[in-house]
Amino acid sequence: AQTIHQWPVAEIKAVGSPLSLGCTIKGKSSPNLYWYWQATGGTLQQLFYSITVGQVESVVQLNLSASRPKDDQFILSTEKLLLSHSGFYLCAWSLHLGKDTQYFGPGTRLLVL
Amino acid sequence: QQKVQQSPESLIVPEGAMTSLNCTFSDSASQYFAWYRQHSGKAPKALMSIFSNGEKEEGRFTIHLNKASLHFSLHIRDSQPSDSALYLCAVANSGTYQRFGTGTKLQVVP
Repeated sequence: AQTIHQWPVAEIKAVGSPLSLGCTIKGKSSPNLYWYWQATGGTLQQLFYSITVGQVESVVQLNLSASRPKDDQFILSTEKLLLSHSGFYLCAWSLHLGKDTQYFGPGTRLLVL
Repeated sequence: QQKVQQSPESLIVPEGAMTSLNCTFSDSASQYFAWYRQHSGKAPKALMSIFSNGEKEEGRFTIHLNKASLHFSLHIRDSQPSDSALYLCAVANSGTYQRFGTGTKLQVVP
């Protein structure tokens, strides 16, 4: 069975500080990976997707970057946090790109002060 | 750009009732239609999906798609308090992007 793990569970960070969020997928080789952001009570916004190691595509510009250093690892980061970065960050995977069920990780809750 | 909208924004139903949630989309080339459920503080979890016009039933849940009307819906039979959650619809075309709606907050009261 596939498992998806995200770290950290929650973060409180200062405006202007750096951020790194991680996601690992176990039990599935070469998954399509995604990063989503959800404002409190808001809709899910896809940020990035990756179909293979080393390849990441940006969907929206939010002063964030993503990398896929290993087949089972997806990293979301920024050098300078903004207040607007607060929210719930979710990593997900799917078997097929786009039109397929997305399986979400438990998420990381971020509060920027 | 694809627009996905849900109605109503929130809904309160008594236990045992039928619940109907709606989702409209703007891109007639859309090919994949799904519903996700998100309990408070948790990650979304896929409920069911459909590719072609018609209905699909899984247990107490039924999804109905009408591409010509740019509309699909989720019906929950015999709603339970455990069904209380945020329901998100999602639409995808042949590309890489799955766009989610703004959600319907459902509360089922005993």
